[in-house]
Amino acid sequence: AQSVSQHNHHVILSEAASLELGCNYSYGGTVNLFWYVQYPGQHLQLLLKYFSGDPLVKGIKGFEAEFIKSKFSFNLRKPSVQWSDTAEYFCAVARRTGNQFYFGTGTSLTVIP
Amino acid sequence: DTGVSQNPRHKITKRGQNVTFRCDPISEHNRLYWYRQTLGQGPEFLTYFQNEAQLEKSRLLSDRFSAERPKGSFSTLEIQRTEQGDSAMYLCASSPNLTTAGRQETQYFGPGTRLLVL
Repeated sequence: AQSVSQHNHHVILSEAASLELGCNYSYGGTVNLFWYVQYPGQHLQLLLKYFSGDPLVKGIKGFEAEFIKSKFSFNLRKPSVQWSDTAEYFCAVARRTGNQFYFGTGTSLTVIP
Repeated sequence: DTGVSQNPRHKITKRGQNVTFRCDPISEHNRLYWYRQTLGQGPEFLTYFQNEAQLEKSRLLSDRFSAERPKGSFSTLEIQRTEQGDSAMYLCASSPNLTTAGRQETQYFGPGTRLLVL
C-alpha cells in the first residue's frame, strides 16, 4: 500500500530560522509530488508541485522542495521563515497512473516572532 | 470568489441519523474528489468523479456512504445511519481535466464540512 510519512509532527521556530520538513513516500513507480499548506482557518492550498525535470522546485512565498528519487523523499525548505508561515503543511503523492492523492499526516509549524 | 464551496460548514447529528453534504466545484473543473480528514491526520481519499461518472472509490467508503454528481457539476455525499466514528472533516476538491499525460492537475480544496456525531 502506498504511504506518505512526515516525521516532524510539530515544529517550532523563531523568525528568520531556516526550515526543512521531511516527506518520504513508499511507492516504486513514477509519482507526482505536492506540498499543500493550510493556514489557520483557511483551505488547503498548493505550495508547490513536482512532475518531472529539475528535482529542485520552487513554490510560492519562498518555499522550495527537492525530489531525491533514490531516497523517495521530497523535503520542503525555506531559508528564512516568517511569523505568517505558521500553518499546517501536508505532503502529498499521486501515482502517474492513478487519480488518488495520498497525504501525509501533516506537520504543524509555529513561528515565534 | 469562484473557488470550491461546501455546505454546510458544520453539522451536528445524532448517531443513526442520515446526513448529506454538498460540494460545488470550480465551474470549469471536470474532476471532483471527496476526502475525509480526522484530527492529526492528513486527508484520506474517499471517491473521485470525472464529470458525472464515479470512477474510483476507496475501501474507506463503506456501504453507508454514497456520493453522486448527477449533472457533472455539484456533488453530494450522503452518510446513512451515522456512527460516532464518522465524525471528521469532509473535504471536497476539484481539478481540471488532465492536459498532459501523467500529470495530475492541482487539486483545489473547499473549506470542508465538519461533522460531529453525538
